[in-house]
Amino acid sequence: SQKIEQNSEALNIQEGKTATLTCNYTNYSPAYLQWYRQDPGRGPVFLLLIRENEKEKRKERLKVTFDTTLKQSLFHITASQPADSATYLCALSPGGYNKLIFGAGTRLAVHP
Amino acid sequence: EAQVTQNPRYLITVTGKKLTVTCSQNMNHEYMSWYRQDPGLGLRQIYYSMNVEVTDKGDVPEGYKVSRKEKRNFPLILESPSPNQTSLYFCASSYDRTGPTYGYTFGSGTRLTVV
Repeated sequence: SQKIEQNSEALNIQEGKTATLTCNYTNYSPAYLQWYRQDPGRGPVFLLLIRENEKEKRKERLKVTFDTTLKQSLFHITASQPADSATYLCALSPGGYNKLIFGAGTRLAVHP
Repeated sequence: EAQVTQNPRYLITVTGKKLTVTCSQNMNHEYMSWYRQDPGLGLRQIYYSMNVEVTDKGDVPEGYKVSRKEKRNFPLILESPSPNQTSLYFCASSYDRTGPTYGYTFGSGTRLTVV
């Protein structure tokens, strides 16, 4: 069956460290992969999009990698701050489909 | 301000009483979609629309209807709500009619409780 897996356990890190979140998928061949941030009770906010022919994308303190062989995307936040605490969602677009399928998300807590 | 506006934010209703959740975007986006979010299940797509008068089912369409008579509006209709439709609902829009080539803009959500 098709699955998108994100670590369901919260990731706790110290302020200033790099947070790394993982998104694994099976039985998809995504053309695009996106990352969103979601705060409690609010709608997801788009962060980054990476295409299947791109290995890496950066935006300020954020970096996303996309390995279609491993079927995995990594999301990095460098120099993390308590304000980065949120749930981060991975979403992919199966090739040929006009839709975005979301993982359940990983909660990140950055401690001062 | 570019945004997706959903109403209402909170709604408690009784089983079987028809309701409509409105969604409007001011970005002239082609693509609009409805999702529901349940604990542990993530966001699941209900319906989407690539253009006016063009709608299609997502992964969990049972019990829902939509319409796209104008580009900016995409209401979600529950003809006969049941308790298993208690959830947090999000409307989203995207510039590209195919949807996933650009990031989605989400509304603030509608928390629906059906008793």
